Amino acid sequence: DSGVTQTPKHLITATGQRVTLRCSPRSGDLSVYWYQQSLDQGLQFLIQYYNGEERAKGNILERFSAQQFPDLHSELNLSSLELGDSALYFCASSVGIGDRPYEQYFGPGTRLTVT
Amino acid sequence: EDQVTQSPEALRLQEGESSSLNCSYTVSGLRGLFWYRQDPGKGPEFLFTLYSAGEEKEKERLKATLTKKESFLHITAPKPEDSATYLCAVHTITGGGNKLTFGTGTQLKVEL
Repeated sequence: DSGVTQTPKHLITATGQRVTLRCSPRSGDLSVYWYQQSLDQGLQFLIQYYNGEERAKGNILERFSAQQFPDLHSELNLSSLELGDSALYFCASSVGIGDRPYEQYFGPGTRLTVT
Repeated sequence: EDQVTQSPEALRLQEGESSSLNCSYTVSGLRGLFWYRQDPGKGPEFLFTLYSAGEEKEKERLKATLTKKESFLHITAPKPEDSATYLCAVHTITGGGNKLTFGTGTQLKVEL
C-alpha cells in the first residue's frame, strides 16, 4: 500500500458526459501528479500540482482540468468524454519538487470506461 | 523530446533463470531514473532511483544499474512472484515543475 488513495476504483459513463476523479496524497506529500495509462500509449504524464499550484503540464487535453485543494487532495475533471478517453488514470504523490528527483508513489488508479 | 525505450517487450523465464531488462533513454538534463513494478490493474510500485552513471542499487533478486545512455534491471534466480511488468522512467524538469517520462515496459513471466 503506497498510502495514495483514489476514488472511485471504477467508473462507467457515456460519451459526452463529465466525471471527476479524486486523489488523496500520502501524508506529508505536497506534490500530486496525474497520469493516464492506455493500452496503446503506456503511462502518460498529464499534470502536476504542488501545494495548490499548477507546476507542470504534459499531454493534457483542453477537455481535462485538475486542481489541488488546501487539504492537498486533488481532483481531475474530464468533460465531453470520448471513447478514446477510456483508460486507467493514476495519481501519484511526492514529498517535494525541483531538481532532486523525489520518488513518486502511485495510487491504485481509477479505471474509466466510456461507452 | 524525451524518449525512453525498453526491451524486450516481453520475456519468459524459467524459475532460477537469470536475465536482464534494458531501458535506453534520450533526455536533456536527466535528474534521475526510476524503476517501477506494475501488476495487472494495479498502480506502479516504486523499486529504485538511480541518480548518476555508475550507480547501482539492489533489492532482493533485483539489481539496477545506470550508464549515460541506458539502465539495466538484472533479475537473479527469479521466482514466479517476480512476474509483472517492469517500467523505467526518467525524471526531468519541465517549466516550474517536474515529470516522469515512462517507457512502455517489459512484461516478465516467470514459470515453474
